[in-house]
Amino acid sequence: NAGVTQTPKFQVLKTGQSMTLQCAQDMNHEYMSWYRQDPGMGLRLIHYSVGAGITDQGEVPNGYNVSRSTTEDFPLRLLSAAPSQTSVYFCASSFYLVGGNTEAFFGQGTRLTVV
Amino acid sequence: GQQVMQIPQYQHVQEGEDFTTYCNSSTTLSNIQWYKQRPGGHPVFLIQLVKSGEVKKQKRLTFQFGEAKKNSSLHITATQTTDVGTYFCAEAGGGYQKVTFGTGTKLQVIP
Repeated sequence: NAGVTQTPKFQVLKTGQSMTLQCAQDMNHEYMSWYRQDPGMGLRLIHYSVGAGITDQGEVPNGYNVSRSTTEDFPLRLLSAAPSQTSVYFCASSFYLVGGNTEAFFGQGTRLTVV
Repeated sequence: GQQVMQIPQYQHVQEGEDFTTYCNSSTTLSNIQWYKQRPGGHPVFLIQLVKSGEVKKQKRLTFQFGEAKKNSSLHITATQTTDVGTYFCAEAGGGYQKVTFGTGTKLQVIP
């Protein structure tokens, strides 16, 4: 069981370039999310999805797009990279179990630097 | 901005000392989750509390959810070097679809 897989692990972009961070989960979880982690800021929610075809904005959505065409995949697109998007990005998946835990399972993270 | 604040932001303790981190919200929380992130790693789920005044223990870790469901704490007894990392509280809100994280407390244990 691979869990949540993120690629790439590291990426350097030039300002203005676009790219897609990949996220895949094999646990058949309904919910998937993208976070960015910056020093002293904790994890901030970028976008999330409650199922295939359904996405919504989180706390810091500007400059990012998402789509959810399948249950397994939830890619994050940077449209025009800016230095302010230098961060560590985490993808997470979770499911809702009535009366049970609803823990988020995280990928290993993508360390992105925009120069 | 962040709805859930954590204090302290950093804590250094001698190995064997106790450690506590606090999570405070201005609004009532539907639940509280705790995660641990080792240096260079990803957050890993520790526990979830749902009921007012709930207390749960995992070996040397004690988790509490306040009576008003606006605060929570994580207490580690007799810290070990393996406890090093950043501890986050979080709320799984919006029908458990959105997990909102606190700012985290970074724990350093001095051997």
